[in-house]
Amino acid sequence: QITLKESGPTLVKPTQTLTLTCTFSGFSLSTSGVGVGWIRQPPGKALEWLALIYWDDDKHYSPSLKSRLTITKDTSKNQVVLTMTNMDPVDTATYYCAHLAVAGTYGSFDIWGQGTMVTVSS
Amino acid sequence: DIQMTQSPSSLSASVGDRVTITCRASQSINIYLNWYQQKPGKAPKLLIYAASSLQSGVPSRFSGSGSGTDFTLTISSLQPEDFATYYCQQSYSTPWTFGQGTKVEIK
Repeated sequence: QITLKESGPTLVKPTQTLTLTCTFSGFSLSTSGVGVGWIRQPPGKALEWLALIYWDDDKHYSPSLKSRLTITKDTSKNQVVLTMTNMDPVDTATYYCAHLAVAGTYGSFDIWGQGTMVTVSS
Repeated sequence: DIQMTQSPSSLSASVGDRVTITCRASQSINIYLNWYQQKPGKAPKLLIYAASSLQSGVPSRFSGSGSGTDFTLTISSLQPEDFATYYCQQSYSTPWTFGQGTKVEIK
């Protein structure tokens, strides 16, 4: 059974760096084809894809946020970490991590964490 | 970035109704299209992947179709538990963009 859980601060100040950890079980990020993504959702708004990391350390970022994002993995701890620099109130959102499912060449997020709400305010 | 546009943004329907939601991509994405359902306060749930493949455990009243730029999610007979917001997402190229969502409400 695959599970994921996000953790990190609930409140950060403007200009600070946010560090979120996704701790997962039921799969290994050292297995070929496996990946984990981050998605966020501001209150009352749509989902926004942020970043994706694959088993081979291939990384992809949202172009609009690329300069502020870093995604890394710790295979031994079954964790994926997302850092976002220079936080702003518009970054207030629920942040989700999700397991990448691959069927042939078709990717989707089949299992999601419960999400963690992050508020940016002074 | 590939832009995903859903229509309508919201709809009202009754239990038992057939509901259709449309998603259009700004360029061809073959069948690299997923559909998710999200209920208030909950994480999204994968319904359909690769445009028409039903995710395991999802009721057969949900179906997806389309290819290229135009896609459809159909709920054949709306059930009380289906009132939620639905999102399409392309996985053709990163960033994997989502549509703006379609909220299905009770009439």
